[in-house]
Amino acid sequence: NAGVMQNPRHLVRRRGQEARLRCSPMKGHSHVYWYRQLPEEGLKFMVYLQKENIIDESGMPKERFSAEFPKEGPSILRIQQVVRGDSAAYFCASSPIRDTEAFFGQGTRLTVV
Amino acid sequence: QKEVEQNSGPLSVPEGAIASLNCTYSDRVSQSFFWYRQYSGKSPELIMSIYSNGDKEDGRFTAQLNKASQYVSLLIRDSQPSDSATYLCAVIIGSGGSNYKLTFGKGTLLTVNP
Repeated sequence: NAGVMQNPRHLVRRRGQEARLRCSPMKGHSHVYWYRQLPEEGLKFMVYLQKENIIDESGMPKERFSAEFPKEGPSILRIQQVVRGDSAAYFCASSPIRDTEAFFGQGTRLTVV
Repeated sequence: QKEVEQNSGPLSVPEGAIASLNCTYSDRVSQSFFWYRQYSGKSPELIMSIYSNGDKEDGRFTAQLNKASQYVSLLIRDSQPSDSATYLCAVIIGSGGSNYKLTFGKGTLLTVNP
């Protein structure tokens, strides 16, 4: 049973480009969280999604960032017009239902040059 | 008050000792609590979950929950150098409400010295 899969593992983008990060949850999981982590810092909540619904996006910056979790396919975190400050590790985690354990993918390390 | 707070550390213990990690949370209605371990450069790994007041043991790990005090802790018995990592406390905040998120503390760096 495959774990949470994130791709790409490493992504380099020039300032102004778009970054698209993908997260395939564990089989049977319909809930996804996205987090951002800067070096030596904690995990910052960004968004919580269920299939086809955004449940809580209180941690998402108001501009340039968006997330979706379609009925079919992976969850996508999209960052438009990236800036150097977007450089970080982005993790997703999935869980089968609310209020239960969430399991993390290996993360995408985004570097903006 | 921060939603999830951990003792800042770092915490250093000798091999074989008990490591004690603490966490407090702000949301009185939270029902789900977790401890994760994160090695440097890696993703967080779930090590314990606890939902009811009291103790829950799994091998060398014991999680303790006190909802009245809004406090959760993790004890690691017979600490090993391989336990050296950052330990993250996580709480589901806003359960049942419109805002709902799995929220993490900043973590406590544990070093176990051989």
